[in-house]
Amino acid sequence: ETGVTQSPTHLIKTRGQQVTLRCSSQSGHNTVSWYQQALGQGPQFIFQYYREEENGRGNFPPRFSGLQFPNYSSELNVNALELDDSALYLCASSLLGLDTEAFFGQGTRLTVV
Amino acid sequence: KQEVTQIPAALSVPEGENLVLNCSFTDSAIYNLQWFRQDPGKGLTSLLLIQSSQREQTSGRLNASLDKSSGRSTLYIAASQPGDSATYLCAVRWYGNNRLAFGKGNQVVVIP
Repeated sequence: ETGVTQSPTHLIKTRGQQVTLRCSSQSGHNTVSWYQQALGQGPQFIFQYYREEENGRGNFPPRFSGLQFPNYSSELNVNALELDDSALYLCASSLLGLDTEAFFGQGTRLTVV
Repeated sequence: KQEVTQIPAALSVPEGENLVLNCSFTDSAIYNLQWFRQDPGKGLTSLLLIQSSQREQTSGRLNASLDKSSGRSTLYIAASQPGDSATYLCAVRWYGNNRLAFGKGNQVVVIP
């Protein structure tokens, strides 16, 4: 158990809808990163949050947005869902700037139909 | 371009054999490298973290080596067991970059 929890574990949405995924980081960690993993691929970096501010972003469109809260938990929001957004979404928590490991949650499986 | 490659994509070994998994990366200016295990449909479990100043890390039956100059890391799993069947992912963090860049993984099946 890593202490990183994600919710929900699975959900199904219709194309065009909006979705919010949630992540509680490991105790003591101040940084949350989100990754998208398509079937058979390695995870791709979406963005990172530190002190409630976006601290780096991967090659994802603006309809992917996020929040980090004072308790370091985080949300990933995706608007105008497309079929290609179907993937496993992973949250990772870590300490910024230190040589520590990134710990991942169990992921949220999103299916867009 | 900074990339991480893991070959082969899939492999099978008989139980008891040693597993050797390779990870290669472009650009030797890495901050650290982390090996993960992923079971089907599940999240990532961290196995080993190697800092750029280290040559290897060990945990139980697992040993990971790092050769920055050649852009390679190798994960050794001694005396493989059926429970070691999973996908193993290598991830690199480069200097000046706060993200992990992943390979596509090695899908391992240990045959009883």
